[in-house]
Amino acid sequence: AQSVTQLDSQVPVFEEAPVELRCNYSSSVSVYLFWYVQYPNQGLQLLLKYLSGSTLVKGINGFEAEFNKSQTSFHLRKPSVHISDTAEYFCAVSDLYQAGTALIFGKGTTLSVSS
Amino acid sequence: EPEVTQTPSHQVTQMGQEVILRCVPISNHLYFYWYRQILGQKVEFLVSFYNNEISEKSEIFDDQFSVERPDGSNFTLKIRSTKLEDSAMYFCASSLGGLDEQFFGPGTRLTVL
Repeated sequence: AQSVTQLDSQVPVFEEAPVELRCNYSSSVSVYLFWYVQYPNQGLQLLLKYLSGSTLVKGINGFEAEFNKSQTSFHLRKPSVHISDTAEYFCAVSDLYQAGTALIFGKGTTLSVSS
Repeated sequence: EPEVTQTPSHQVTQMGQEVILRCVPISNHLYFYWYRQILGQKVEFLVSFYNNEISEKSEIFDDQFSVERPDGSNFTLKIRSTKLEDSAMYFCASSLGGLDEQFFGPGTRLTVL
């Protein structure tokens, strides 16, 4: 069985500061890794994904994440946040080889950016 | 840009009533999913659907739930007899292939009274 742990439920930061949202996963099989963002009253939007290859993945809105297999982590980072980055961020995994399979989500991290 | 749409955006129903949540996936996608998010909790997988049959379902997806693709465009989730604990945001998603990115709709907020 797969599981995802997002270590911080809330992360308050000031505008233009760097941020890291932490995600650890456990799985007995090879997985895809994802970060989704949910703005207030909206659906989930894919920020970035890791399938294979380079462990540093760049996504939309200046976000990037690094896959660390030995630490089973996939932390999300941004060097300088904006007010508009305020949202809920979800880390997720899915089975690498099973088509049409579930995304398993973490509990989410609320990023609050203030001026 | 193509997107997944869901109707209604908010549905209020009485306990014990049947509800049908509707989704229009992206037109050329072949895999369809339902997820739910109870307020303040994580997003949970309910079911995936491919080639007119369920390909995977979670423990949450019990006999009171069913899914259907009644025509070439809609994908529905039916809850036969709603319970208070069914109150949640329900998200539909679709993907082109089974290992491709899942695109999510904006959700339907279901409130069971």
